[in-house]
Amino acid sequence: EAQVTQNPRYLITVTGKKLTVTCSQNMNHEYMSWYRQDPGLGLRQIYYSMNVEVTDKGDVPEGYKVSRKEKRNFPLILESPSPNQTSLYFCASSLLGRANTEAFFGQGTRLTVV
Amino acid sequence: GESVGLHLPTLSVQEGDNSIINCAYSNSASDYFIWYKQESGKGPQFIIDIRSNMDKRQGQRVTVLLNKTVKHLSLQIAATQPGDSAVYFCAESGQNFVFGPGTRLSVLP
Repeated sequence: EAQVTQNPRYLITVTGKKLTVTCSQNMNHEYMSWYRQDPGLGLRQIYYSMNVEVTDKGDVPEGYKVSRKEKRNFPLILESPSPNQTSLYFCASSLLGRANTEAFFGQGTRLTVV
Repeated sequence: GESVGLHLPTLSVQEGDNSIINCAYSNSASDYFIWYKQESGKGPQFIIDIRSNMDKRQGQRVTVLLNKTVKHLSLQIAATQPGDSAVYFCAESGQNFVFGPGTRLSVLP
């Protein structure tokens, strides 16, 4: 089954404790991206990647890092999480390097930073 | 379930009626548009797309209309059902995806 898998689904952590949210897709998509979703603000892009070893900042990259060492994986790293990073996070992937095809989304990761 | 948006515009329709959800996009250079549906506790799911060389596209019970002159996109759902209750997002794509804030559709019995 074609899918984007995120882990964990839920995470509560403390300020400053480094964490990684994993994202994996099995569709051989070149394009992958991370979004955060906050009430009233919709989906805002954090980082995206057009292909392996190519990553770019989205609209709200501060406080986040990503890596794309393999085509299928695109982990989101919070080196020193802060309470304002409490949010619902989605990973997405799509087929073409230019983002003009359907994006498939993961199920989301609810992160709470206390 | 997850709370996707506490302050979203809400559209309430009677079961069986048609729904129209509107979206204004910002970039006149965007050439591809998608509507997504997001149910509580789930990620956004593709509904229908349209390219900028079209002004209308129909799927099963859904129709997307594109008006490039006023940069407006709409999603029409025919014979709305309880399972259509969700948050609906439009997305525009040029270099990258940009999502609208979303509209919550509530279907009344």
